[in-house]
Amino acid sequence: GESVGLHLPTLSVQEGDNSIINCAYSNSASDYFIWYKQESGKGPQFIIDIRSNMDKRQGQRVTVLLNKTVKHLSLQIAATQPGDSAVYFCAPDSGYSTLTFGKGTMLLVSP
Amino acid sequence: EPEVTQTPSHQVTQMGQEVILRCVPISNHLYFYWYRQILGQKVEFLVSFYNNEISEKSEIFDDQFSVERPDGSNFTLKIRSTKLEDSAMYFCASSDRALLPNQPQHFGDGTRLSIL
Repeated sequence: GESVGLHLPTLSVQEGDNSIINCAYSNSASDYFIWYKQESGKGPQFIIDIRSNMDKRQGQRVTVLLNKTVKHLSLQIAATQPGDSAVYFCAPDSGYSTLTFGKGTMLLVSP
Repeated sequence: EPEVTQTPSHQVTQMGQEVILRCVPISNHLYFYWYRQILGQKVEFLVSFYNNEISEKSEIFDDQFSVERPDGSNFTLKIRSTKLEDSAMYFCASSDRALLPNQPQHFGDGTRLSIL
């Protein structure tokens, strides 16, 4: 079955730094990838998505990079703010209509 | 911005009792989902629903679980006879197209279900 893993379970940064959160996935058939942010007591919040025919996509302060050759994604957050502190999940599609979540990476931003 | 709303935020139920978790998806969305997250673990897919029927379900979604769209706005998850291991956060999600092609699911803030 699908296995989704994260390279760093916890990432601590200073406010203003750039953050990079990594994600490895195992299903080579995954065609669509979503990054979610989950704050304590809340549901996953959509951040950015990317299709497999792209290798980079930019949003507001966030960039997602996709390397299908090595089945790796990264989420880059520019000028990280304390409000960015949360758990971040990458969620590849499973090949059907469902998402597969890893355990997530905790991002801690110190002022 | 439209959002998925879930009620109640916290439900405490005795083991063996039935529980119904309620969700109001985003109004123009057609695809609905339930996920659960046991404390400290991954978010796990339970079921997807489209056109008044289940599209897919996971192994977790056994005969004790059912879903329903009783009217034009609500989407419910029923657990017929709750077990201790059903204790988890339950998230409802919706999207206006199927995940493929490429449409993110939007999540509610969940219902924390505690089975005593």
